[in-house]
Amino acid sequence: AQKITQTQPGMFVQEKEAVTLDCTYDTSDQSYGLFWYKQPSSGEMIFLIYQGSYDEQNATEGRYSLNFQKARKSANLVISASQLGDSAMYFCAMREGQGAQKLVFGQGTRLTINP
Amino acid sequence: NAGVTQTPKFQVLKTGQSMTLQCAQDMNHEYMSWYRQDPGMGLRLIHYSVGAGITDQGEVPNGYNVSRSTTEDFPLRLLSAAPSQTSVYFCASSYSTGVLETQYFGPGTRLLVL
Repeated sequence: AQKITQTQPGMFVQEKEAVTLDCTYDTSDQSYGLFWYKQPSSGEMIFLIYQGSYDEQNATEGRYSLNFQKARKSANLVISASQLGDSAMYFCAMREGQGAQKLVFGQGTRLTINP
Repeated sequence: NAGVTQTPKFQVLKTGQSMTLQCAQDMNHEYMSWYRQDPGMGLRLIHYSVGAGITDQGEVPNGYNVSRSTTEDFPLRLLSAAPSQTSVYFCASSYSTGVLETQYFGPGTRLLVL
């Protein structure tokens, strides 16, 4: 069974609109972490946001926020006021357990921002 | 700080050749990892290290070796390259404060095995 599921292979959004990228995860651990990365066409992996399983508040970083719904095992990325430069692949990833630095990635969502 | 650096950026190998992908970080991070990314897919963990002298296997370790003699360096060795190892390889280093975590990725090495 997949541990990270991103159900949207591609999304098209108008510039300045908000966009939500879906991510669901599967784990039996009580302690885990959830990450979102952006991969532009140049290929580098850019860290966006992190949410720990014990964090009660949703993580935010500038225009990025993580909508964490623990009971539903959901960790959606919300980008407010999208920009053309947001066009990229977006990956959700999970770290299970404590101290282990092993990430499991979803297959990604290709986001295209239209002017 | 240079962050995480990887060399080479691009490499072409023939089947059966061996090579070492280099990875270095200057952030004094304990944790380092190697991932591969195949077309249209997310990254998959090959090997990781939680400190100098300590390494362990990830999801797809076959055909690769690692060692961690220093905190800064974490080379990945391909013992006998196969076409199935054609991929983009990313090295990452990370830290955890118990509250905040992040993993920093290098720019990647594109490997083509003919």
